Amino acid sequence: GVSQDPRHKITKRGQNVTFRCDPISEHNRLYWYRQTLGQGPEFLIYFQGTGAADDSGLPNDRFFAVRPEGSVSTLKIQRTERGDSAVYLCASSLASLRRNTEAFFGQGTRLTVV
Amino acid sequence: AQSVTQLGSHVSVSEGALVLLRCNYSSSVPPYLFWYVQYPNQGLQLLLKYTSAATLVKGINGFEAEFKKSETSFHLTKPSAHMSDAAEYFCAVTTSGTYKYIFGTGTRLKVLA
Repeated sequence: GVSQDPRHKITKRGQNVTFRCDPISEHNRLYWYRQTLGQGPEFLIYFQGTGAADDSGLPNDRFFAVRPEGSVSTLKIQRTERGDSAVYLCASSLASLRRNTEAFFGQGTRLTVV
Repeated sequence: AQSVTQLGSHVSVSEGALVLLRCNYSSSVPPYLFWYVQYPNQGLQLLLKYTSAATLVKGINGFEAEFKKSETSFHLTKPSAHMSDAAEYFCAVTTSGTYKYIFGTGTRLKVLA
């Protein structure tokens, strides 16, 4: 399945954090979502291969994600703020031009900014 | 653009009773629809999916959903609730040629003994 690391991260406000996602190997699409309490997952960014095809969901320039070799991805948050506290979910899917399949989700990284 | 509305943020049913979780979607093109379940401190697990084949879709754990184009609905049902069904359920939509999965705000199901 999709694996994420770490599962939990507690950081002080102003610190930088990095999260890792290892998708299902044959999947060509990788997504990052953010989920806050009582809400559904909110889209952040999507990769097709190595490039970020759509980063329109990133809230500001403190958020940055890469997928340099088309498999593992890292999401970085600089100068964290309390409002960044959430569960960050990674997902992958296998899709073609004609159809989408379901997205498979990792267990998430819970970020707490104190 | 696509969107999903889940009616009822909290639903309570007695053990053994019918479960009905509501999902309405909006899409200008034929949608793909999904139901996911999330247990505490876990990621999302796929329950079932509609991808333009049969309109009545059966999933895991006895759940099923019916795609009704005329009502733009994809409600999730289970004939008899079990205590282990207590979780949060999310409806999601995407379309062919797009990539985003758009999620509803979720419905928390509580099963009463």
